[in-house]
Amino acid sequence: EADIYQTPRYLVIGTGKKITLECSQTMGHDKMYWYQQDPGMELHLIHYSYGVNSTEKGDLSSESTVSRIRTEHFPLTLESARPSHTSQYLCASSEAEESSGNTIYFGEGSWLTVV
Amino acid sequence: KNQVEQSPQSLIILEGKNCTLQCNYTVSPFSNLRWYKQDTGRGPVSLTIMTFSENTKSNRRYTATLDADTKQSSLHITASQLSDSASYICVVSDRGSTLGRLYFGRGTQLTVWP
Repeated sequence: EADIYQTPRYLVIGTGKKITLECSQTMGHDKMYWYQQDPGMELHLIHYSYGVNSTEKGDLSSESTVSRIRTEHFPLTLESARPSHTSQYLCASSEAEESSGNTIYFGEGSWLTVV
Repeated sequence: KNQVEQSPQSLIILEGKNCTLQCNYTVSPFSNLRWYKQDTGRGPVSLTIMTFSENTKSNRRYTATLDADTKQSSLHITASQLSDSASYICVVSDRGSTLGRLYFGRGTQLTVWP
């Protein structure tokens, strides 16, 4: 069982609102990721981090921002939500580079609906 | 272009039956291939990880195979249960990739009927 937690699980907000999706892991992993997934579609990487004070943009352009002040915490923020941001956001973590074959652990996901 | 294609897109089987899901990829140079199970509304959970030198790996009723020459993988589920209903995602990473360079398939949606 993975010790990685996301809140909120479900959220409906109005256009223009600011929202922060929380992600925490208790496994001591240095690597953390945010993926975006629409129903029936593949996951797309939007942000990742090598460790504290390290953040990088992923493959999919996103208007969100992230921060990594503590190893266990990797929040994602939308300054001004739009209906196009409606999606599922998945947080993940791993011990090392995924190319080495180490397991990537995913949180339960945050379903965001912007109306 | 690095891609991961899964088939079928969806599959319905009766409880107790076996099934096989397919994954074809063009990712190069290949490092490893993973199968994940994703229940509706939940995050993906790892089933197997296979590197270039491995051609089969089992995890309880799940058996994954890998043919690195033809760039194909399959996930075989034996004696299916209702709880196997989920999306099964094939994920391929390339060798020496930077952090986050994974290639995801769209998944096969499996439904097991009683």
